[in-house]
Amino acid sequence: NAGVTQTPKFRILKIGQSMTLQCTQDMNHNYMYWYRQDPGMGLKLIYYSVGAGITDKGEVPNGYNVSRSTTEDFPLRLELAAPSQTSVYFCASSLGDVTNYGYTFGSGTRLTVV
Amino acid sequence: DQQVKQNSPSLSVQEGRISILNCDYTNSMFDYFLWYKKYPAEGPTFLISISSIKDKNEDGRFTVFLNKSAKHLSLHIVPSQPGDSAVYFCAASASVTGGFKTIFGAGTRLFVKA
Repeated sequence: NAGVTQTPKFRILKIGQSMTLQCTQDMNHNYMYWYRQDPGMGLKLIYYSVGAGITDKGEVPNGYNVSRSTTEDFPLRLELAAPSQTSVYFCASSLGDVTNYGYTFGSGTRLTVV
Repeated sequence: DQQVKQNSPSLSVQEGRISILNCDYTNSMFDYFLWYKKYPAEGPTFLISISSIKDKNEDGRFTVFLNKSAKHLSLHIVPSQPGDSAVYFCAASASVTGGFKTIFGAGTRLFVKA
């Protein structure tokens, strides 16, 4: 049971480059999320999805885009990378009831923009 | 505007003693509170949660206490073990259309000394 899988684990981007962070889950969870964690800060919600074909903005969506064409996959796209996007990115999924089971997180992608 | 605050960046405890991690929140609309544990190079993992209608929830060595009037919750770990050394995130969830919105604190790094 793989859970939530994120690729790549590490990436260095130059300013202005673009990339896609991949996230896939095999638990048939409807809800998926993208968070970023900056040093000394809590996780900030970038985008979330309540099911295939449905996405919505979180707290810090600027500079990012997402799509949800299948239940399993929820890629995060950075179009014009900026140093402010240097962070650790976590993808998560849930059944919908996070109250008793919480989110299942991936192991993260550490992104550096130089 | 930090809606969920963990004011202690770190905590050091002797093995076998009690660890108490604290968390304060500002929004009375939160329905559930959760604690996550994070090891280096891994994603956070769900630990324990509590509904806003309760004041205590216990799971083995972990107990979460909620004081709604003070907008304060705490996680007690008894007895503490070296394997408990990790970063602990407090999170608060509120019902929104289509699911829940979760806000995370900045985390407290727990060191359990053998």
